[in-house]
Amino acid sequence: QKEVEQDPGPLSVPEGAIVSLNCTYSNSAFQYFMWYRQYSRKGPELLMYTYSSGNKEDGRFTAQVDKSSKYISLFIRDSQPSDSATYLCAMSGTYKYIFGTGTRLKVLA
Amino acid sequence: EAGVTQFPSHSVIEKGQTVTLRCDPISGHDNLYWYRRVMGKEIKFLLHFVKESKQDESGMPNNRFLAERTGGTYSTLKVQPAELEDSGVYFCASSPGPSYGYTFGSGTRLTVV
Repeated sequence: QKEVEQDPGPLSVPEGAIVSLNCTYSNSAFQYFMWYRQYSRKGPELLMYTYSSGNKEDGRFTAQVDKSSKYISLFIRDSQPSDSATYLCAMSGTYKYIFGTGTRLKVLA
Repeated sequence: EAGVTQFPSHSVIEKGQTVTLRCDPISGHDNLYWYRRVMGKEIKFLLHFVKESKQDESGMPNNRFLAERTGGTYSTLKVQPAELEDSGVYFCASSPGPSYGYTFGSGTRLTVV
């Protein structure tokens, strides 16, 4: 069993929709939870960085961490075609990140 | 500020040859990391430098891989001799410290034929 599970998609939504992306994990030692966005042929770009449980909001993006359920989510409000990318969750206990496989998202105009 | 720079962006080499990848981290970032993504798999940790010292190289696949970080600045990752299974995208990332998110470079796509 992988330490981090993430549905690879693809996920297609109409412009303006609310997008929900999720990851589950098995290692209770994880304390830091990240979401990265990756466009084709580019490196991952940090979107959200969260320590421990709770919610964090940044513009149209909201990250949620539920350590009791070992479940993290990223919500994108008012999705735009420019949000079309692969979204990677990552988590760590200290410095070593464990990544999910990424979810491909396509926002249709 | 300048981001994390990696080069070459793409390298195609024959099995048995040597390839050296380079990473220039963000200035002032003591922590430098190498990760790799092989086709269809998740991005996986290779190693971690703090300044010029290797803190953790537990993810290095075997002794054909050698990483260095000269003077705590740029880093190189050498693969010698390259094998077919070494093909993938090699990412470098840097951060000011362990409780900060990484900034990734655009990666080097390595193809071994």
